[in-house]
Amino acid sequence: DSGVTQTPKHLITATGQRVTLRCSPRSGDLSVYWYQQSLDQGLQFLIHYYNGEERAKGNILERFSAQQFPDLHSELNLSSLELGDSALYFCASTRDSTDTQYFGPGTRLTVL
Amino acid sequence: QQPVQSPQAVILREGEDAVINCSSSKALYSVHWYRQKHGEAPVFLMILLKGGEQKGHEKISASFNEKKQQSSLYLTASQLSYSGTYFCGTDLLKAAGNKLTFGGGTRVLVKP
Repeated sequence: DSGVTQTPKHLITATGQRVTLRCSPRSGDLSVYWYQQSLDQGLQFLIHYYNGEERAKGNILERFSAQQFPDLHSELNLSSLELGDSALYFCASTRDSTDTQYFGPGTRLTVL
Repeated sequence: QQPVQSPQAVILREGEDAVINCSSSKALYSVHWYRQKHGEAPVFLMILLKGGEQKGHEKISASFNEKKQQSSLYLTASQLSYSGTYFCGTDLLKAAGNKLTFGGGTRVLVKP
């Protein structure tokens, strides 16, 4: 158990819908990272937040957005969902930028 | 730029050794190694920093060749529990934080 929690564990929805994935970092960790893992694209970095502020963006689509709240939990919002958005979405947390990233158990999103 | 991992897959007998390589075309600040079992989150193994020493984790060790921008992960006297997909994640700049770019993964299967 990494100490990072993600909800929900599974999410099944239809194309065109909007969903919100939630991540709670380990106690004391200020950074949250979001990753997408699909069969054909592998593990892709999406976005990094540090203490509420966006620090880095990766291959994140405009239909996706994220935020980190004052209590440090983070949410990833995915809208206008397409079949290709089906994937495992992981969040990871660290204490600082040179620290180990601890991954949550992931949310499996299926878009039908 | 995604780092290149080789080999893509390796099958071992329990007790055998293996080496997994991770190469980048750009100068690296750090290399992170993770192991992921099917359906689970990636689990941190070790991190190697530029100018740092070789790291070890039980019978798994790694090195970082700054001249070649390559890291190698050594699985020594492999155990059944070593089976999984190994990913390297590379970080180019300390200032950018841990914006990791992951390689395509190396599947390892350890047989009795």
